Amino acid sequence: GENVEQHPSTLSVQEGDSAVIKCTYSDSASNYFPWYKQELGKRPQLIIDIRSNVGEKKDQRIAVTLNKTAKHFSLHITETQPEDSAVYFCAASKGPSGNQGGKLIFGQGTELSVKP
Amino acid sequence: EADIYQTPRYLVIGTGKKITLECSQTMGHDKMYWYQQDPGMELHLIHYSYGVNSTEKGDLSSESTVSRIRTEHFPLTLESARPSHTSQYLCASISRRTEAFFGQGTRLTVV
Repeated sequence: GENVEQHPSTLSVQEGDSAVIKCTYSDSASNYFPWYKQELGKRPQLIIDIRSNVGEKKDQRIAVTLNKTAKHFSLHITETQPEDSAVYFCAASKGPSGNQGGKLIFGQGTELSVKP
Repeated sequence: EADIYQTPRYLVIGTGKKITLECSQTMGHDKMYWYQQDPGMELHLIHYSYGVNSTEKGDLSSESTVSRIRTEHFPLTLESARPSHTSQYLCASISRRTEAFFGQGTRLTVV
């Protein structure tokens, strides 16, 4: 089945610096790659996603890049702020593909700490 | 407001007890998943469902069972709780675009 590896497990940056989190996946049929942010004591929430028909997507200070050949994708956060501190999870899926759309498999998570 | 609800939020029970964690969603989604997560750690898929009467085991072995008799409801049951079951259990409802909407979670402690 699908396996998603995420690095690093912890990341500490100064406010204003950039942060990059990387994930690799094993199943070449995966075509949907979301990123979730989980603040302390809260539920994970989707922050950005990318599908296999594009190589990059940007939303204000966050961007995601996808390299299907190498089977890896990355989250980039620019001009980091203390409120960006959280655990970030990448995920991969073969969905949607009809009613039996694929499972959403998560990476191990990255704890990002932004120091003021 | 369309949302996904989990009850209870916190539960402390004794070893050997049977418990059911409730999960309900009002978003009309067919797919629902259960994840097990230790605080701030990896999300492990333990059960998933593609619709009514459809249930599958996930990638992480779990001694729990699930049922899906109604689209809105996806309860998880532990027949005999053990201390190793202590964890947080997150239920998710999946949109047709594969976006996961998570419940607030149930933090279970087995003593």
